[in-house]
Amino acid sequence: AQKVTQAQTEISVVEKEDVTLDCVYETRDTTYYLFWYKQPPSGELVFLIRRNSFDEQNEISGRYSWNFQKSTSSFNFTITASQVVDSAVYFCALSENRDDKIIFGKGTRLHILP
Amino acid sequence: DTEVTQTPKHLVMGMTNKKSLKCEQHMGHRAMYWYKQKAKKPPELMFVYSYEKLSINESVPSRFSPECPNSSLLNLHLHALQPEDSALYLCASSQDTLRNYGYTFGSGTRLTVV
Repeated sequence: AQKVTQAQTEISVVEKEDVTLDCVYETRDTTYYLFWYKQPPSGELVFLIRRNSFDEQNEISGRYSWNFQKSTSSFNFTITASQVVDSAVYFCALSENRDDKIIFGKGTRLHILP
Repeated sequence: DTEVTQTPKHLVMGMTNKKSLKCEQHMGHRAMYWYKQKAKKPPELMFVYSYEKLSINESVPSRFSPECPNSSLLNLHLHALQPEDSALYLCASSQDTLRNYGYTFGSGTRLTVV
């Protein structure tokens, strides 16, 4: 069975600090896909990144970076020099190749304090 | 057009009412989804339509009835709902159900059942 664990329920940091959101997943498939989504107070889920299980390269996009480690089944997300606009709920999600479901973790609520 | 549009944004309905939620996309995506999100919880999959056919029903009660009239449009018909059905209903689309592209989500319909 597939499972996504985001152990951090809520995090508060002061603006300009770096922050890392943890994500640990479980799956029996060798082919799977990992995602991060951002949900601001407006409610819309914003797609941030998709990573397949065969691509362990870390990725950087501006202030965002992702560290994918199959050995520890983790797909962590780091925001560098955080800004107030980064305040949102962030969901890590997993999809196995066999079906079209995306299973979400419980989310991490991130507060960036001015 | 890279959006998924959901209407209405807010809906209040009585337990005896019949109402419909609408979702539209013009990105040529062939898979469309309904998710339900309760407050402070992750989204939960309800239905998946692939090429206008229902492919996944996550044991959703029959008071929720999905419909996909064409590849751009997805409806969710509501009848005899309960107060516990109050939630944010999110629609999403993706290019193809088998390739696990990231979803594009709409901003949701916030439903209150009174």
